[in-house]
Amino acid sequence: GQQLNQSPQSMFIQEGEDVSMNCTSSSIFNTWLWYKQDPGEGPVLLIALYKAGELTSNGRLTAQFGITRKDSFLNISASIPSDVGIYFCAGQKFAGGGADGLTFGKGTHLIIQP
Amino acid sequence: NAGVMQNPRHLVRRRGQEARLRCSPMKGHSHVYWYRQLPEEGLKFMVYLQKENIIDESGMPKERFSAEFPKEGPSILRIQQVVRGDSAAYFCASSPRGGKSSYEQYFGPGTRLTVT
Repeated sequence: GQQLNQSPQSMFIQEGEDVSMNCTSSSIFNTWLWYKQDPGEGPVLLIALYKAGELTSNGRLTAQFGITRKDSFLNISASIPSDVGIYFCAGQKFAGGGADGLTFGKGTHLIIQP
Repeated sequence: NAGVMQNPRHLVRRRGQEARLRCSPMKGHSHVYWYRQLPEEGLKFMVYLQKENIIDESGMPKERFSAEFPKEGPSILRIQQVVRGDSAAYFCASSPRGGKSSYEQYFGPGTRLTVT
């Protein structure tokens, strides 16, 4: 089946630092989505990307859709304690001409050190 | 605006029993997706439904699992004769019909199934 390689697996950072994480795939995706999941909750959509090369921001978050359609990255600037959580990338192919199921990476655990 | 609703939030079943998980999509959304998440793992796609239709069930186990999204009422994921390996968090997501935003999936809080 499809796999997305997400890295790093975990990050230990100081409050105020910038964060960068990425996802790569061996196959092409037509949409990339980034989610954040807190313990015991469902994933929350952060950013959606639709076009190769697209760069989109949502507050302190910036994400880009790679030119090859096989990768995406997410940056968080000036991290704050509430940024702690697990970040997932997800790709979508819509092979059937419409929306279809997402393929998820294994997540990046973001931990902020006191 | 109510988000995606799932119930129950926690479900405990003994081996061999049936589990029924319910999902009500966001208002105005007509597409429903089910995913399973094992501890320390990402979510795995199971099935994609529209009202009264299964569009893609390529991620569903061949036996014991079924899903429906009737004309009226919530979507149901049904697991018959549960086994310990079915213990996981099950998430439902919904998206609107048509347009670019139809590719954005919004998730519910999940149902944590524990099989004893």
